[in-house]
Amino acid sequence: GQSLEQPSEVTAVEGAIVQINCTYQTSGFYGLSWYQQHDGGAPTFLSYNALDGLEETGRFSSFLSRSDSYGYLLLQELQMKDSASYFCAVVQGGKLIFGQGTELSVKP
Amino acid sequence: DAGITQSPRHKVTETGTPVTLRCHQTENHRYMYWYRQDPGHGLRLIHYSYGVKDTDKGEVSDGYSVSRSKTEDFLLTLESATSSQTSVYFCAIRETSGNNEQFFGPGTRLTVL
Repeated sequence: GQSLEQPSEVTAVEGAIVQINCTYQTSGFYGLSWYQQHDGGAPTFLSYNALDGLEETGRFSSFLSRSDSYGYLLLQELQMKDSASYFCAVVQGGKLIFGQGTELSVKP
Repeated sequence: DAGITQSPRHKVTETGTPVTLRCHQTENHRYMYWYRQDPGHGLRLIHYSYGVKDTDKGEVSDGYSVSRSKTEDFLLTLESATSSQTSVYFCAIRETSGNNEQFFGPGTRLTVL
């Protein structure tokens, strides 16, 4: 079977750093993606890791370890607008298999 | 922003009626997807298409069918809607090359009474 595990909720304060972990069990793994979704709106793409290591895009970074079947999304200098749900997703051929999402609450 | 629209945006229907949701893109992308999103389940793939008349099943395809007669349109049909199909439905598109990024439409909220 296929499964992804990520925490259901995370709370952090404005200006802090937060890490959202994702572990997966799947076959046919191509890479790991992260998506952000505000209040039931359309999910939007944040990052994609095909190889081990860290990818940085502004305040957001994503990490992948294929040998550990593990990845994380790192958000720095948190802002109130970062309050949203964050989904990791395994890229499997042309498809995405999503985790259940982590709801991030950023407090003042 | 990727040109992707969904219609209708909201629909209320009764159990046993047929329902068709439409996804329309102006990007000429080859790949199109239908997902449903329910509390506690994240996004689950229903069906996807990798070209005109080429479709395949996803994780939760039972009770759904799709058709793609043109590159720009991907239709999702519930032949006989059930209350368990009450959900938010998202369409997504992806170009062939690149980083596997999918662009999502605004979603359709479907309620089956």
